[in-house]
Amino acid sequence: DADVTQTPRNRITKTGKRIMLECSQTKGHDRMYWYRQDPGLGLRLIYYSFDVKDINKGEISDGYSVSRQAQAKFSLSLESAIPNQTALYFCATSDLKGGETQYFGPGTRLLVL
Amino acid sequence: GDSVTQMEGPVTLSEEAFLTINCTYTATGYPSLFWYVQYPGEGLQLLLKATKADDKGSNKGFEATYRKETTSFHLEKGSVQVSDSAVYFCASQGYGTDKLIFGTGTRLQVFP
Repeated sequence: DADVTQTPRNRITKTGKRIMLECSQTKGHDRMYWYRQDPGLGLRLIYYSFDVKDINKGEISDGYSVSRQAQAKFSLSLESAIPNQTALYFCATSDLKGGETQYFGPGTRLLVL
Repeated sequence: GDSVTQMEGPVTLSEEAFLTINCTYTATGYPSLFWYVQYPGEGLQLLLKATKADDKGSNKGFEATYRKETTSFHLEKGSVQVSDSAVYFCASQGYGTDKLIFGTGTRLQVFP
């Protein structure tokens, strides 16, 4: 089984809808991250969390919110989706004990019509 | 702020050719440097890393050396295979921070 899983893997939604992307990990890591990937722009950090009570905004947090329900779960919500949020979204985890390496999930491809 | 610049792709090579993908960075202090690889339909995987000047990271025949004097971390492989076809991302991480700064990615296509 994969260490970092994301659901759904693909999602099509309409402008104005609220959607949630979920991430779960079995690595026991404290730190979790949400990124979006756009063609020609690489990956950009949306939010990150060092533990259940510590959530921080990243480079492009506007229009997004997150919830860290447990050490193993970190959800990303789009309160009112818009077309320019169409992208590939990745969750990642890391553990200071393991160095700086981040471990990525397989991604969620989101299309907002 | 910190940034990473890598060569645009796609890079198209024949099998067994030599590969170089250039990466330069700007940072305050001395960041850790990484190469991640993304195979089609998958998430990113760490390929190699280096945490201080003159360190060489290596994995699966790929190498990159942390050059402080040229602020570079170029990825090289002596003989590429079709299975190396993927998108390669260079990234930096400032000392004492958790944030990865990614380059825009370079697509490598290897043909038999």
